[in-house]
Amino acid sequence: DGGITQSPKYLFRKEGQNVTLSCEQNLNHDAMYWYRQDPGQGLRLIYYSQIVNDFQKGDIAEGYSVSREKKESFPLTVTSAQKNPTAFYLCASSMKTGELFFGEGSRLTVL
Amino acid sequence: RKEVEQDPGPFNVPEGATVAFNCTYSNSASQSFFWYRQDCRKEPKLLMSVYSSGNEDGRFTAQLNRASQYISLLIRDSKLSDSATYLCVVNMAGTASKLTFGTGTRLQVTL
Repeated sequence: DGGITQSPKYLFRKEGQNVTLSCEQNLNHDAMYWYRQDPGQGLRLIYYSQIVNDFQKGDIAEGYSVSREKKESFPLTVTSAQKNPTAFYLCASSMKTGELFFGEGSRLTVL
Repeated sequence: RKEVEQDPGPFNVPEGATVAFNCTYSNSASQSFFWYRQDCRKEPKLLMSVYSSGNEDGRFTAQLNRASQYISLLIRDSKLSDSATYLCVVNMAGTASKLTFGTGTRLQVTL
């Protein structure tokens, strides 16, 4: 079945560590996105990519990095520079119409 | 003023009731509009796009009022399974593939 796969589903990190969240899609979508969701807040855009080898910062890119070496993959690294990384991270992809398809999300907790 | 605003609720309604949510947006040049549904601790899923002429999908009706800059979602004959958070999503003009999410309206349907 086509879809978006995020891993891991749950992740615990010690302060000062970098972690990488995986996002893979087999929908043949050009655009991919990373969002962060905190309780009581709307989804906030971290990074997005409209084409392979190109990506742009979203509204809250500080402390995060991404790569887009393959159309299917858009991993997100949460670096130690991110001050408050505990959150629910959602990866999405879309056709040009703008409808987003989300993965199941990754819950990151900093210990 | 927030770019996209929603009443957080919760809206508590009995099964079979009709309930309506509004969502206001600040950018008059916004081009496309969507309602997403998000279950607790799950990823958002597209419920329906909102077209200028209004559109209906079974028990759900979405409308757009460009003059007053809001979109609405009407749910008729509410079911227990409709309990979820409903996210309003707006594609702001000139932001190529970037969508802005409201914080969501929580609906609880009870027996």
